[in-house]
Amino acid sequence: DAGVTQSPTHLIKTRGQQVTLRCSPKSGHDTVSWYQQALGQGPQFIFQYYEEEERQRGNFPDRFSGHQFPNYSSELNVNALLLGDSALYLCASSYQRAQYFGPGTRLLVL
Amino acid sequence: KQEVTQIPAALSVPEGENLVLNCSFTDSAIYNLQWFRQDPGKGLTSLLLIQSSQREQTSGRLNASLDKSSGRSTLYIAASQPGDSATYLCAVMGDSSYKLIFGSGTRLLVRP
Repeated sequence: DAGVTQSPTHLIKTRGQQVTLRCSPKSGHDTVSWYQQALGQGPQFIFQYYEEEERQRGNFPDRFSGHQFPNYSSELNVNALLLGDSALYLCASSYQRAQYFGPGTRLLVL
Repeated sequence: KQEVTQIPAALSVPEGENLVLNCSFTDSAIYNLQWFRQDPGKGLTSLLLIQSSQREQTSGRLNASLDKSSGRSTLYIAASQPGDSATYLCAVMGDSSYKLIFGSGTRLLVRP
């Protein structure tokens, strides 16, 4: 049984560019959450998708947007990248509120 | 606003010691509390999940307790090993929320 998978593993972008990160949930899970983890900090909640709709959102600007597909996989899009967007982006899938995390995508903005 | 604090921020112990990691939260209206392990540059591995109605959970050498009324949880690691070296994160989910709120973690080093 495959766990949560994310792609790509690493990414380098320049300021002002746009990026798309992808996540496939654990089998049987219908909910996907995205978190941003800066170096030395705990993860911060970006948003959660359920039934292809954004169900809850954290304190992140509109430059952060997402999508969930009918197969429950999800994308995180970040527009107009800033240096401060450099972080580890974690996806978590869940069924009935227990969350399981993927390996993350390391984004570096230069 | 829920805040989660973990003490200590870092801990170095010799192999074989029993140790306790602490987590405190400001709002007792939680749905569950999870302890995670994170190796450098990696994702999070769920260690233990405690529902709000439970007092503790055990898995192997790990035991986590929850005192919701006082806003505290502890993670007890018995007979520590060098392979236990990692950052340990505590996270809570509110009663009426779907998001996890994390502490900053405790960075553990177990010396051979």
